[in-house]
Amino acid sequence: QSALTQPASVSGSPGQSITISCTGTSSDVGGYNYVSWYQQHPGKAPKLMIYEVSNRPSGVSNRFSGSKSGNTASLTISGLQAEDEADYYCSSYTSSSTHVVFGGGTKLTVL
Amino acid sequence: EVQLVESGGGLVQPGGSLRLSCAASGFTFSSYEMNWVRQAPGKGLEWVSYISSSGSTIYYADSVKGRFTISRDNAKNSLYLQMNSLRAEDTAVYYCASGEMATSWDYWGQGTLVTVSS
Repeated sequence: QSALTQPASVSGSPGQSITISCTGTSSDVGGYNYVSWYQQHPGKAPKLMIYEVSNRPSGVSNRFSGSKSGNTASLTISGLQAEDEADYYCSSYTSSSTHVVFGGGTKLTVL
Repeated sequence: EVQLVESGGGLVQPGGSLRLSCAASGFTFSSYEMNWVRQAPGKGLEWVSYISSSGSTIYYADSVKGRFTISRDNAKNSLYLQMNSLRAEDTAVYYCASGEMATSWDYWGQGTLVTVSS
């Protein structure tokens, strides 16, 4: 069982917007602004999409945005495109001994 | 261009040992904190271990504590993971990961597969 909870799957049609949630506790998501989001295509290494809750690394499309409310962080992808179909993982710094925790991952299907 | 290249994976029997390496290039390795992250077949990402830039601070996931040892050689631009007492549940692709931020990683290797089976 992962430390952070994500929906197993979400789907949307091209052009639509979707949101993926990531729920933790006050020891991780809720306590620190160190939430990250990664995109992973099959057989590939993860790619950082969002860091520190809502910041985009250089080169990441502005269709990707992040936010947080309480113990839940969210990744929103607007204007869905076929190439957005992938697995998405959230992660957070944690004050527990484990240092960083991941969510279980969410499979995004673009219909 | 930043490159992280893992090596050392393979098939090992339960209870056995393996040492993974991660060769870094294209950035000042000695200034960056490093991590190992693994992914079991068909499963999600799991953070395994962290080491500070100097090597003075180290953390482990509870699942590997006491069995795995992370280390680095800044002179050789290399990161290591010594894995002992391996179990079937350690079977995974192991990635080394790093970046500008301590807990967000924009540099990843291609991964190396470790299979623990008799």
